[in-house]
Amino acid sequence: GQQLNQSPQSMFIQEGEDVSMNCTSSSIFNTWLWYKQDPGEGPVLLIALYKAGELTSNGRLTAQFGITRKDSFLNISASIPSDVGIYFCAGQGYGGSQGNLIFGKGTKLSVKP
Amino acid sequence: EADIYQTPRYLVIGTGKKITLECSQTMGHDKMYWYQQDPGMELHLIHYSYGVNSTEKGDLSSESTVSRIRTEHFPLTLESARPSHTSQYLCASSASTLWEGRGELFFGEGSRLTVL
Repeated sequence: GQQLNQSPQSMFIQEGEDVSMNCTSSSIFNTWLWYKQDPGEGPVLLIALYKAGELTSNGRLTAQFGITRKDSFLNISASIPSDVGIYFCAGQGYGGSQGNLIFGKGTKLSVKP
Repeated sequence: EADIYQTPRYLVIGTGKKITLECSQTMGHDKMYWYQQDPGMELHLIHYSYGVNSTEKGDLSSESTVSRIRTEHFPLTLESARPSHTSQYLCASSASTLWEGRGELFFGEGSRLTVL
């Protein structure tokens, strides 16, 4: 079945630093999504990507849909303490149950003030 | 902001009790999902539905059951709760059809279940 590899698993950074995380897939996806989850809450959608090569920003966040359709990255610039949380990538394949989203295992971000 | 609601947010219950976790969305979404997640860990799909009277099991085997009698409502039931069922359960919905390629999921805030 389809699998997503998300890295890094965790990050400990200083406030103000930039952050980069990525996901790679063993198969082609037609959609890449990035979510953030705060402790005890449900994931919240940050950025959605629908085209290979697409680069989309949302404030200090930037995400790209890889040209090969098998990867995506998320960058956070000038991190602040409220960026703390778990970031999940998710990809959607084609048809049947593969139309369901596949989630990465998450990147846990910790920010030191 | 997504309009998807889960109740209860927190539930502590004894072994052997029957529980139902409620999930409702007011967006008219056809697709609804249940995920199970241990704290800080990955999301596991346990059930999904593509519409009324449609339910399927997800990737992770679960002793829970679901029903979809109305578009807006997707409850999850455990007939006899056990400590191994302790986890967070997240409900989600999506407007996309299988082939549209715009599969954003909107999540509820979750139901944290503890079985003693």
